[in-house]
Amino acid sequence: GAVVSQHPSRVICKSGTSVKIECRSLDFQATTMFWYRQFPKKSLMLMATSNEGSKATYEQGVEKDKFLINHASLTLSTLTVTSAHPEDSSFYICSAQTWEGLLGDTQYFGPGTRLTVL
Amino acid sequence: GIQVEQSPPDLILQEGANSTLRCNFSDSVNNLQWFHQNPWGQLINLFYIPSGTKQNGRLSATTVATERYSLLYISSSQTTDSGVYFCAVNNDMRFGAGTRLTVKP
Repeated sequence: GAVVSQHPSRVICKSGTSVKIECRSLDFQATTMFWYRQFPKKSLMLMATSNEGSKATYEQGVEKDKFLINHASLTLSTLTVTSAHPEDSSFYICSAQTWEGLLGDTQYFGPGTRLTVL
Repeated sequence: GIQVEQSPPDLILQEGANSTLRCNFSDSVNNLQWFHQNPWGQLINLFYIPSGTKQNGRLSATTVATERYSLLYISSSQTTDSGVYFCAVNNDMRFGAGTRLTVKP
């Protein structure tokens, strides 16, 4: 089955530092990748949609200069939280989308990255 | 944008019981998926079901696109079914708030 990895799984950093999170589709090429944020006991909030080789499309209210997304290849997207602050602490989840014929556009999710900013 | 509502928000069952989870959406959709998020946060695809009915073991799902809802059925629930169940619609995967299921032994 389709597998999506995220690295790191957990990160603790000091306020003001930048953190990079990688999302890789391991056994398929992803037409599109998505980044979500999830607060405790809440739903997933879509942050941005990225396509390989083009600029990411950010959802309303998401600061593009704060959350830098680079989609370098069909199997790798990165999210960089710049100058992180405690309010950026959250669970970040990526997903990779692929066309599966009769199944249509199907998304597969990474295991998530728990970011804690001190 | 499209609104996605799930009910009930919380559900507690005894092991072996059956349950029905509902997902209502405010506009027509071209994609609908059900996911299970386990206690460690991993989202697992259950069904891709923009319309019709599918079954996979103890789980089945039905989407009535014309009436803008989808149902997830869990039969003979097990403690490992515990977690949060989400539906998400359209290619950019707009998520509902989820149903938190707890199955007690």
